[in-house]
Amino acid sequence: AQSVTQLGSHVSVSEGALVLLRCNYSSSVPPYLFWYVQYPNQGLQLLLKYTTGATLVKGINGFEAEFKKSETSFHLTKPSAHMSDAAEYFCAVTYPLGSARQLTFGSGTQLTVLP
Amino acid sequence: ETGVTQTPRHLVMGMTNKKSLKCEQHLGHNAMYWYKQSAKKPLELMFVYNFKEQTENNSVPSRFSPECPNSSHLFLHLHTLQPEDSALYLCASSQAGGADTQYFGPGTRLTVL
Repeated sequence: AQSVTQLGSHVSVSEGALVLLRCNYSSSVPPYLFWYVQYPNQGLQLLLKYTTGATLVKGINGFEAEFKKSETSFHLTKPSAHMSDAAEYFCAVTYPLGSARQLTFGSGTQLTVLP
Repeated sequence: ETGVTQTPRHLVMGMTNKKSLKCEQHLGHNAMYWYKQSAKKPLELMFVYNFKEQTENNSVPSRFSPECPNSSHLFLHLHTLQPEDSALYLCASSQAGGADTQYFGPGTRLTVL
């Protein structure tokens, strides 16, 4: 079964500092990987996704993530945090083929940006 | 309206009430999903519909009853709920069930008294 682990349920960074949110997945076949963001009282919004091809994926709001097969990781980064980045971030995995036809989400990481 | 909409945004109900949640997608997608988001737990997939046919039911109690009359609308009928069912219920849609990107609505915050 597919699974996702997000290390750190809460991450705090100063405004202007590097944002690094960690995601590791378990998989026996190549996965599709996603990062979603959820602002208070809202649904989930897609930040970026990896399917095939280039392993460094750029998303909205200056975020990017790198698929590292050898490390089974898909960490999310942003060079300089902004106050508006404060939200909860979810990593998710699904498989492109076979009977696994659903997104499996991690537990989420709450990002706090300090002034 | 654009994207995925959900009504109501907030709902308070007693354990003996019957209520329904509504989801509508304006994206031309053919797959729709219900998720439950509880505090301190990962999102839980409840139901999946592809082309109006239910293809997934992740062991959801029968007090939750989905309905998908067409590819644009999805309902979740609620009956005899328990306080532990209080959560944010999210609807999503995608072009096809599986690996395609899912687009989420804002959710319905349900409180069961």
